[in-house]
Amino acid sequence: QVQLVESGGGVVQPGRSLRLSCAASGFTFSSSGMYWVRQAPGKGLEWVAVISYDGSNKYYVDSVKGRFTISRDNSKNTLYLQMNSLRAEDTAVYYCGGCSGGSCYSSAFDIWGQGTMVTVSS
Amino acid sequence: QLVLTQSPSASASLGASVKLTCTLSSGHSSYSIAWHQQQPEKGPRYLMYLTSHGSHTKGDGIPDRFSGSSSGTERYLTISSLQSEDEADYYCQTWGTGIWVFGGGTKLTVL
Repeated sequence: QVQLVESGGGVVQPGRSLRLSCAASGFTFSSSGMYWVRQAPGKGLEWVAVISYDGSNKYYVDSVKGRFTISRDNSKNTLYLQMNSLRAEDTAVYYCGGCSGGSCYSSAFDIWGQGTMVTVSS
Repeated sequence: QLVLTQSPSASASLGASVKLTCTLSSGHSSYSIAWHQQQPEKGPRYLMYLTSHGSHTKGDGIPDRFSGSSSGTERYLTISSLQSEDEADYYCQTWGTGIWVFGGGTKLTVL
């Protein structure tokens, strides 16, 4: 059974850091592009970052460039999102996900986790 | 600029059918999209991949009541025999070179 389980969310002060993790099972993680998408309270979905199956290519939405880093450990079937210099506007539920077609450049976001809440507040 | 536009809301009666629309920005009529469903207080669920030609591939366990079609820059999600659990937000999603885009979502109310 395909499963993604996020962890690491919580309440953090502006300017501080947080690292999210996403443990994958039930599909070939090492062959799948992966992503992070977030949803601010009462708002729609926004893609945050995408990483290729081998970690060699990474893409970020403009609002997080230079502050967030997506990475993966294929030996542990785990995806990460390092979030630095957090701002109030980063407050959201963060979902990790995968593209079972291999590349997220040419296929849909078709695997979703259940999400973890990040609240940036003093 | 790659943009997806969705109506904020839609409604239909229990047992009826509804057709939701996602419109691609001008010049992007060849783009494929995906449809996702988000029930209240839950994470998104992938429904289907939909090409510009109207062929679609559904995710595992998605009922036959869900289907997709295309015309020009418009992509459609049709839900037939509406059930109460279909009341949800529906998002379309597409991708380009180094960018991924979601529509603003349509909130479907089942009357």
